[in-house]
Amino acid sequence: QSVLTQAPSASGTPGLRVTMSCSGSNSNIGDNYVYWYQQLPGTAPKLLIYRDSQRPSGVPDRFSGSKSGTSASLAISGLRSEDEADFYCASWDDSLSGWVFGGGTKLTVL
Amino acid sequence: QVQLQQSGPRLVKPSQTLSLTCAISGDSVSSNSSAWTWIRQSPSRGLEWLGRTAYRFTWQNDYAVSVESRITIDPDTSKNQFSLHLKSVTPEDTAVYYCARGLIASTLGAAFDIWGQGTMVTVSS
Repeated sequence: QSVLTQAPSASGTPGLRVTMSCSGSNSNIGDNYVYWYQQLPGTAPKLLIYRDSQRPSGVPDRFSGSKSGTSASLAISGLRSEDEADFYCASWDDSLSGWVFGGGTKLTVL
Repeated sequence: QVQLQQSGPRLVKPSQTLSLTCAISGDSVSSNSSAWTWIRQSPSRGLEWLGRTAYRFTWQNDYAVSVESRITIDPDTSKNQFSLHLKSVTPEDTAVYYCARGLIASTLGAAFDIWGQGTMVTVSS
């Protein structure tokens, strides 16, 4: 069981918008930044969002992150087939003194 | 650019020690703005942070509670690499193991911005 909770799957139609959530607690998301990673099949995770809502250089602005309280969200607009991947949220946990991850959301582009 | 290259055995017997190495290019294991990290991934446990080593005037290590009695992460400044040693392994330790660079006091926050290619390690007799 992952410390951060994510829905196992999400789907969307090309061109439209999809959102996925990540739920935690005061010891992690509530008190620390959230990071999002995208993992394409057979590859290592790739940083997608840092410090809740910031995009690294090279990440399209179709990807956006937000946070409220102990939950965070990742939104993808203008959905493309190449966006099909697993998405993971992560945060530092003060109680565990370590990084914790969500179980991941598998995105299917219909 | 920064790259991480992993090496090590893919099959380990139960009760033995799993050892993997991550060679760094484009950065230094002694950098005071990086934390050299091991993360593993399995279907049953998902992504799991195992621990890190970082140089802050002295070497500092942090380990996950779940493995802290069995894990050691060692830096090797002469070879610019760091290693994971996980002892007394069981089939539950079967996973893809990744090394990663965790940033410290960076404009990217504390992100894991660079990852190794991953090593599938199976614990089996």
